[in-house]
Amino acid sequence: AQSVTQLGSHVSVSEGALVLLRCNYSSSVPPYLFWYVQYPNQGLQLLLKYTSAATLVKGINGFEAEFKKSETSFHLTKPSAHMSDAAEYFCAVSADTPLVFGKGTRLSVIA
Amino acid sequence: DAGVIQSPRHEVTEMGQEVTLRCKPISGHNSLFWYRQTMMRGLELLIYFNNNVPIDDSGMPEDRFSAKMPNASFSTLKIQPSEPRDSAVYFCASRMDRVMETQYFGPGTRLLVL
Repeated sequence: AQSVTQLGSHVSVSEGALVLLRCNYSSSVPPYLFWYVQYPNQGLQLLLKYTSAATLVKGINGFEAEFKKSETSFHLTKPSAHMSDAAEYFCAVSADTPLVFGKGTRLSVIA
Repeated sequence: DAGVIQSPRHEVTEMGQEVTLRCKPISGHNSLFWYRQTMMRGLELLIYFNNNVPIDDSGMPEDRFSAKMPNASFSTLKIQPSEPRDSAVYFCASRMDRVMETQYFGPGTRLLVL
């Protein structure tokens, strides 16, 4: 079975500051890992995914995430936050089952 | 590509009424998923289909919930009778038939049961 833990239900950063959203996973088999973003009143949109090709994964809108097997982590980062990054972010894991999502982290960006 | 299409986008109904949510997956995708999102429970997988066959419905909360996929381009999620605690946003998602593939989500149906 797989599970995901997102540390921090709400993260607030200043515009231009580093964004770091934490995700730890549990999986009994090699996992595939995903980050999705949800803007208000919209569905989920894929930011990036890890499928074992490279441990550092680059996604849309300047986001990236690094797969660290030893730490069972897949944290999402962006060097400089923009007001448009304010949204809910979900980490998800999939191995031999459909996606299992974390509880989500709401990112607020302060001007 | 039109993406995953869901209808209606919003539904307001009274307790005890039947509710039917509809989904059209992306053409060529043979896996389809129904999720429910609430503040309290987050995103929950209700049921998923592979090649129109239900594979796992362990997430369906009660017998009041049922889902069908009569063909590759259409699925329904029905709640009968509806209750206020069913109020949530219901998402449909589809993907090609490998777990590494991206799941594409529809815009959701916002259900309010009074």
